[in-house]
Amino acid sequence: KAGVTQTPRYLIKTRGQQVTLSCSPISGHRSVSWYQQTPGQGLQFLFEYFSETQRNKGNFPGRFSGRQFSNSRSEMNVSTLELGDSALYLCASTTGVSRPMNTEAFFGQGTRLTVV
Amino acid sequence: SQKIEQNSEALNIQEGKTATLTCNYTNYSPAYLQWYRQDPGRGPVFLLLIRENEKEKRKERLKVTFDTTLKQSLFHITASQPADSATYLCALSMNSGYSTLTFGKGTMLLVSP
Repeated sequence: KAGVTQTPRYLIKTRGQQVTLSCSPISGHRSVSWYQQTPGQGLQFLFEYFSETQRNKGNFPGRFSGRQFSNSRSEMNVSTLELGDSALYLCASTTGVSRPMNTEAFFGQGTRLTVV
Repeated sequence: SQKIEQNSEALNIQEGKTATLTCNYTNYSPAYLQWYRQDPGRGPVFLLLIRENEKEKRKERLKVTFDTTLKQSLFHITASQPADSATYLCALSMNSGYSTLTFGKGTMLLVSP
């Protein structure tokens, strides 16, 4: 069974630009969650998509957005990049059907974004 | 305020010893608590999950305890090996959430031969 695939692995962008990151979940999984990881703040939840709908959102500015397609693949977009957006962006794949979450999350390798 | 605290300083132990990592939380009522391992530049990998009404869970050399009165989980690795060196993250899932995990910042474990 293929794992969670994130592309690209590395990105270097300039302040003010925008960026789109992609995540393909495990086959059959309908939930994709996005996290930002920085040395100072650790892993912070951005948002979760389930069946093409945003089901939950973390405390990030509106410059961070996402979407999910009918095949469960998800993209996140960051507009007007700031230096502080430099981070490892991780997506996690789950079935998404249970509340509370009682199964493991499968993470991708992440996209390392550097804003210069 | 809500907090999840893990030892910010690295834990250094000798091969063969038992490593014990701590996760304390404040103002959360998690339904489940999970532990993940993360290697540098990689995504976290799931290790163990424990329910709020379970006291202890084991898997091979790993053991996790969960005390909802103390609001604390302990994660043990017995007979530790250099290959166990990594950052270990605890994560909470709440009754209100579906697939959202709230993570601690992690503790780095260094096992020396």
